[in-house]
Amino acid sequence: SQELEQSPQSLIVQEGKNLTINCTSSKTLYGLYWYKQKYGEGLIFLMMLQKGGEEKSHEKITAKLDEKKQQSSLHITASQPSHAGIYLCGADIRGNKLVFGAGTILRVKS
Amino acid sequence: DAGVIQSPRHEVTEMGQEVTLRCKPISGHDYLFWYRQTMMRGLELLIYFNNNVPIDDSGMPEDRFSAKMPNASFSTLKIQPSEPRDSAVYFCASRPPGRSYEQYFGPGTRLTVT
Repeated sequence: SQELEQSPQSLIVQEGKNLTINCTSSKTLYGLYWYKQKYGEGLIFLMMLQKGGEEKSHEKITAKLDEKKQQSSLHITASQPSHAGIYLCGADIRGNKLVFGAGTILRVKS
Repeated sequence: DAGVIQSPRHEVTEMGQEVTLRCKPISGHDYLFWYRQTMMRGLELLIYFNNNVPIDDSGMPEDRFSAKMPNASFSTLKIQPSEPRDSAVYFCASRPPGRSYEQYFGPGTRLTVT
């Protein structure tokens, strides 16, 4: 969706390194959702952010929502091969349904 | 719970043939979504249902596509006639009541139209 821009499009990191993925909306965000997808599989829900300044963590993954900037970031600390996959952000900007970004492909080199 | 179940997992068909994709949502979920994922367009919402009723089908590409949900435990997405540009991965997702947008996705059906 052009309403949600994700960056970078792809990322290769060495195992143990930190990384950040960004998601920027062209419209007001009423909620931001992060999903992870492995090739050939469905999406797995990671986290939901609804309030400006909100920050949530799950294991080594932290997501923040900057409502003023209409932007969210996903940060992975000490990346592991298990973190590899496609990360998609989804946003509630149309009411009762999500639009998704194009995704960020993450590869972690051992 | 077994999660969202989709069948078939892979479908290869010839242009002009009818294709039917099936989905069984998680029991108790009241929303069901059909998405299509391609490299060019990413993940697109096609249609969604609430309590078996279609709410928004604005994402359905054209009249060749139709979706039904005859009961709370089953939905179909039909393409007739199929075209090569319909090749994509089709996902079904369901959502529990009162849980915002925490959608649970099925494994997808990879459709190839030759």
